[in-house]
Amino acid sequence: GAVVSQHPSRVICKSGTSVKIECRSLDFQATTMFWYRQFPKQSLMLMATSNEGSKATYEQGVEKDKFLINHASLTLSTLTVTSAHPEDSSFYICSARPGGAAYTFGSGTRLTVV
Amino acid sequence: GENVEQHPSTLSVQEGDSAVIKCTYSDSASNYFPWYKQELGKGPQLIIDIRSNVGEKKDQRIAVTLNKTAKHFSLHITETQPEDSAVYFCAASSGGADGLTFGKGTHLIIQP
Repeated sequence: GAVVSQHPSRVICKSGTSVKIECRSLDFQATTMFWYRQFPKQSLMLMATSNEGSKATYEQGVEKDKFLINHASLTLSTLTVTSAHPEDSSFYICSARPGGAAYTFGSGTRLTVV
Repeated sequence: GENVEQHPSTLSVQEGDSAVIKCTYSDSASNYFPWYKQELGKGPQLIIDIRSNVGEKKDQRIAVTLNKTAKHFSLHITETQPEDSAVYFCAASSGGADGLTFGKGTHLIIQP
C-alpha cells in the first residue's frame, strides 16, 4: 500500500530555534499533502494543506509565517516551525491521499521545545 | 466548516463483547467517513471507511454504518480483543483537496 514517510520521529530544540519536519510519499506522487497537529490527549487538527508548486493553504488561526510549508516536488513536503516556543511542543503528522483514495498518514513527529 | 462530534470519550467493555462508537457531522457536503485507530506515539491507522453512497460496510469484526439523513455514522467492533484497546477517531471529508475533520476521539479499553 501507499506509504508516507515522516522524519524525524522525535526532535528536541531550544526555544527560539527553527525545526524542519519532512514528509515523503514513497511510492506515489502527491500534489497535495496535509499537515496536522495533535496536542496530548486531544484530536488531530488540520493546520494547512500543502500544494506542490504553489502556496500552502492555512486553516484559520494558524500563523503562516511561523509554520512555513514548502512542497517543491511531488514526493516531498516540509514543515518548518520557526522561532519555536514551548507552546509549539506537539505531535505533528502529515498525510496524503494517493490517487484520491484513503488518506495515508505519516508516523508523526514529536516536537519538544525547551 | 465541518464539525464532527464523537461519543463516548471513554468506553470500557469486557473482552468478547461488542463496542460501538458514534459520530455526527454537520456539513452535508461531506462524503467520506473514515475511522482511525491510534496507539500511543504513533500516527493514525485506517481501520475502515465508508462513502456517502453506501449505508454499511463490514470487514471481519469491524463494521461502519452511515445515516446520511441524520448525519451520523457509527463504528461497531464485535468480539473485542485486548489488542483492540486504543484511541479511535472518526473523521469526515468532502473529498478532493480537502483535509479531514476529526472527532475528539474515544479511548477504548478492553477489560480481560
